[in-house]
Amino acid sequence: NAGVMQNPRHLVRRRGQEARLRCSPMKGHSHVYWYRQLPEEGLKFMVYLQKENIIDESGMPKERFSAEFPKEGPSILRIQQVVRGDSAAYFCASSPIGPGQGGGYSEQYFGPGTRLTVT
Amino acid sequence: DAKTTQPNSMESNEEEPVHLPCNHSTISGTDYIHWYRQLPSQGPEYVIHGLTSNVNNRMASLAIAEDRKSSTLILHRATLRDAAVYYCILRDSGGSQGNLIFGKGTKLSVKP
Repeated sequence: NAGVMQNPRHLVRRRGQEARLRCSPMKGHSHVYWYRQLPEEGLKFMVYLQKENIIDESGMPKERFSAEFPKEGPSILRIQQVVRGDSAAYFCASSPIGPGQGGGYSEQYFGPGTRLTVT
Repeated sequence: DAKTTQPNSMESNEEEPVHLPCNHSTISGTDYIHWYRQLPSQGPEYVIHGLTSNVNNRMASLAIAEDRKSSTLILHRATLRDAAVYYCILRDSGGSQGNLIFGKGTKLSVKP
């Protein structure tokens, strides 16, 4: 069973461009989480999605950031008009069950991350 | 999720046991204690979790205090590949919050 896959692994964008980060969860997992890790800092939650639904986006910046998890295909984290402060590692995680389904019990499986550099 | 407190860093010698402490004095009865670790330049990986009883798996052991206000992750024989940041995280089994809340964790260095 392949693990969580993220691509690209490294992405360089100039200020003002758009960045699209993709995440394919583990087979059979319908819960996806995105986290951001700024240089020398801890991981911060951004958004939690189930198929076709955003469940919790309390950690997402209000502007320029959006996420989706369509019925078919990977989850996408989209950053419009990138700025230097967006440079970070973006990690995706998936789980087979979510909160309220014994979710405190279930572990999350993380991908290798996408390292975004904005020049 | 309730807050946890961990030392910023610890050192260990290769092939010796390592005990990584975590305090969680405000833990509630439905909180599970989870441990994750993040190796350099990689995503976090799950290590172990427990509720009340001590737990063992192929990676580590988790010792939980009787009052559940603290726990200890035990690596029985540290290897150089165990050098990572270790995170102790509480998760409410009955809650609606899905995400993990990462603190600063403990950076473990392993000396050959």
